[in-house]
Amino acid sequence: DTGVSQDPRHKITKRGQNVTFRCDPISEHNRLYWYRQTLGQGPEFLTYFQNEAQLEKSRLLSDRFSAERPKGSFSTLEIQRTEQGDSAMYLCASSPFGTEGEKLFFGSGTQLSVL
Amino acid sequence: DQQVKQNSPSLSVQEGRISILNCDYTNSMFDYFLWYKKYPAEGPTFLISISSIKDKNEDGRFTVFLNKSAKHLSLHIVPSQPGDSAVYFCAASAGGSQGNLIFGKGTKLSVKP
Repeated sequence: DTGVSQDPRHKITKRGQNVTFRCDPISEHNRLYWYRQTLGQGPEFLTYFQNEAQLEKSRLLSDRFSAERPKGSFSTLEIQRTEQGDSAMYLCASSPFGTEGEKLFFGSGTQLSVL
Repeated sequence: DQQVKQNSPSLSVQEGRISILNCDYTNSMFDYFLWYKKYPAEGPTFLISISSIKDKNEDGRFTVFLNKSAKHLSLHIVPSQPGDSAVYFCAASAGGSQGNLIFGKGTKLSVKP
């Protein structure tokens, strides 16, 4: 079990630029989630995949955000035309199908700073 | 409006004593509750959970109590150890929410030697 891996760990970008983050879930987990956490807040749900299908999206996920999981393995989260309000920790999590409740395994996150 | 509330931003406890972290919720549809622990520069790590059909769940030094009538849950850590120093998040989910956990803002626990 190598855990959930996220890349990069840190990203600094200028306002208006596009950024893309990658998440590699635990290999046998078919569910994958993206969350966002800002300072002083708990993680907030963004979107969820089961295999390659994106099954749920939060209202927080504006049309500048897009997530994919093309082969049901790794996932990417792209933010277009970044804004300073996008600065946050972006967390990826995974879980196996049929897990009791919502026991998610989180990665260490990608810290985005938009200047 | 926050559906999951952790009203204490921080808590300081002496090593060996009990730590009690509290969490309140407003949504009566929540049926599963979890506690996560987070160290700096790491993602949250699952600690313990409880289903709404139970009122207590225990795992080693960690016990979670659920009072559905009061919409309140608490995490007890006995005995507290310096390595327990971290931010603790309470989270809740409603049936069929499929991974949409609602988190509180967290409580920073400091265990002093």
